[in-house]
Amino acid sequence: DIQMTQSPSAMSASVGDRVTITCRASQAINNYLAWFQHKPGKVPKRLIYPASSLQSGVPSRFSGSGSGTEFTLTISSLQPEDFATYYCLQYNRYPPTFGQGTKVEIK
Amino acid sequence: EVELVESGGGLAQPGGSLRLSCEAPRFSFSNYWMNWVRQAPGKGLEWVATINQDGSEKFYVDSVKGRFTISRDDAKNSLCLQMNSLRVDDTAVYYCAKGWGRDWGQGTLVTVSS
Repeated sequence: DIQMTQSPSAMSASVGDRVTITCRASQAINNYLAWFQHKPGKVPKRLIYPASSLQSGVPSRFSGSGSGTEFTLTISSLQPEDFATYYCLQYNRYPPTFGQGTKVEIK
Repeated sequence: EVELVESGGGLAQPGGSLRLSCEAPRFSFSNYWMNWVRQAPGKGLEWVATINQDGSEKFYVDSVKGRFTISRDDAKNSLCLQMNSLRVDDTAVYYCAKGWGRDWGQGTLVTVSS
């Protein structure tokens, strides 16, 4: 199975901060990677799919980059509504696997 | 706008069964691969199962193989997850998702406990 390692697992940040979350795959995944935002009690929301394509309706402060085995989600200027847990998902090979999540909390 | 609606969750005993359903009142299922994803209490998201457009290909995470069955009925615009031989560690919120997470249902809670 392809292992997805996210870092950091948690972080504290302030409104306006630039936030970067990294996801590393245990083998190349051909850019078959998506990023999700998940808030407690809410449904996961897809932000980026694949790798660097912004989902329609998602604010442009979110961006994705990377290729091969290393991928990054960047929030250019953190907003109050962005405090949530973020997950990457590889769907290059079965079983699809999520990263363990990155919880972004208010500093 | 609600795209996917799950039902069928609840309390089951270890070794018991539950059948989850996911319906799409406003779009046609038939064009999409469909997935089940779960989140155990305090844990992250975990992919559970996938079915292709015509039901000829099905994939499962190892921990549910031989116990869970994914199926679809495009005439009813419905996706199902038959869960047998339930274990305590199957306790989770189960979501159905269209494709690779473009749209999600609201989730249904499955609790396995004696």
